[in-house]
Amino acid sequence: SQQGEEDPQALSIQEGENATMNCSYKTSINNLQWYRQNSGRGLVHLILIRSNEREKHSGRLRVTLDTSKKSSSLLITASRAADTASYFCATATGRRALTFGSGTRLQVQP
Amino acid sequence: KAGVTQTPRYLIKTRGQQVTLSCSPISGHRSVSWYQQTPGQGLQFLFEYFSETQRNKGNFPGRFSGRQFSNSRSEMNVSTLELGDSALYLCASSLGTEHYGYTFGSGTRLTVV
Repeated sequence: SQQGEEDPQALSIQEGENATMNCSYKTSINNLQWYRQNSGRGLVHLILIRSNEREKHSGRLRVTLDTSKKSSSLLITASRAADTASYFCATATGRRALTFGSGTRLQVQP
Repeated sequence: KAGVTQTPRYLIKTRGQQVTLSCSPISGHRSVSWYQQTPGQGLQFLFEYFSETQRNKGNFPGRFSGRQFSNSRSEMNVSTLELGDSALYLCASSLGTEHYGYTFGSGTRLTVV
């Protein structure tokens, strides 16, 4: 079963625009992670935010976490065509394995 | 340093056959996790091995099994293949503690005909 659900399922924007993806989850977590997957390839770890953190930045990425609402958002600023990919949130709970959401497909038009 | 290596990259098998997939983690990583990815079910967790012991297991039938060797390399085996086993199988390695991300391999694309 999947813990996280991303919203929207698909997103199409123009280069230079910002892209925002949301993730909701159901149970308490230790941390939440975001991954990117280019078509048919392995996933690439983008950023990890712990349950006691509210916001984290990495380059053009900004992640927020609201544990009271059990939700997170990933913002990609000044998007590029190379950002076209699927983005997944994943939650870590105790010693259990990472549980992935269903993903958001991002298309950045040049 | 070298990434996570999965072999083979592509595989075509016939229903009823069995298959073994291999994963070599990043040096120093003791945890290896396996996931099945399909368009309909998304990323489903199969199992995780840590220091040669299965630490977590997903909700897959007993036809799916795995193991981890002393050098942390891992294999997963699927017996009596079914058409529905066609998927991208992803292996991920990590240090095995909770606040580290996973490093994924490129996956093995299995097609069952």
